[in-house]
Amino acid sequence: DGGITQSPKYLFRKEGQNVTLSCEQNLNHDAMYWYRQDPGQGLRLIYYSQIVNDFQKGDIAEGYSVSREKKESFPLTVTSAQKNPTAFYLCASRANSNTGELFFGEGSRLTVL
Amino acid sequence: AQTVTQSQPEMSVQEAETVTLSCTYDTSESDYYLFWYKQPPSRQMILVIRQEAYKQQNATENRFSVNFQKAAKSFSLKISDSQLGDAAMYFCAYRSPVAGGKLIFGQGTELSVKP
Repeated sequence: DGGITQSPKYLFRKEGQNVTLSCEQNLNHDAMYWYRQDPGQGLRLIYYSQIVNDFQKGDIAEGYSVSREKKESFPLTVTSAQKNPTAFYLCASRANSNTGELFFGEGSRLTVL
Repeated sequence: AQTVTQSQPEMSVQEAETVTLSCTYDTSESDYYLFWYKQPPSRQMILVIRQEAYKQQNATENRFSVNFQKAAKSFSLKISDSQLGDAAMYFCAYRSPVAGGKLIFGQGTELSVKP
C-alpha cells in the first residue's frame, strides 16, 4: 500500500546527543515536510523540500537539519542545539494536484531525558 | 503572513447530534485552499474535507460539511449525526498556491462525543 512511514515511533535521547528521524514515502510525491506538534500549539513547520537536493527552512528550523538525497526519503536530524526537543514529530508529503493536500505519517515521539 | 485561528480549544457533542467547529484565517491572497484534518488518539492526521477558495459552493463529504465565508475569512466545519468515532482533535489549515505548498495550521479543537 502507498503511504508514509516514519521511524522510530518512540525515541529517547540524552541531552547533548543528535538523533535522526526517518521518513519514507512511496506515493511518488515531489514535496515533503516536517512538522513539530506540541500541546496547545498545533503543528509548526520545521523544514520542507519541494524537490530532490533542495530544501527550505520553515518557521522553527533552528536546531534541526534535513537532507533530500532521494525523492522517497526526507530524514530529520534533531541536533544538540535544539533547546527543547521533546515533542511529537510529523512527516508529510504533498499530493501532486491543485489542491495539494498533505498526507501524513504516523509520527515519532521524541523524549529527551 | 497568513494565520489560522481556532477559538474553541474544546467542544462536546451528544452522539447523533450536530456540532460546528469554528475557524478563521487571515490572508491577503485571493486564491488559496482550506482543509480540515482530524487527529484521533492514534495521532495519525487524516484529511476530512478540502475547499478551494475560488469555488463558491461549500464542500461536503458524507456527514462533514463546511460553511466557507470568503469575505469574512471564516471556514467552519459541521459534523452531522455525530458518532463516537468522531472524537478527536480537529485542525483547520490554510495553503497558499505559492510558498512551497506548506500548510499553516490552527491550534486545534478537541472534540468529545458523549454516548
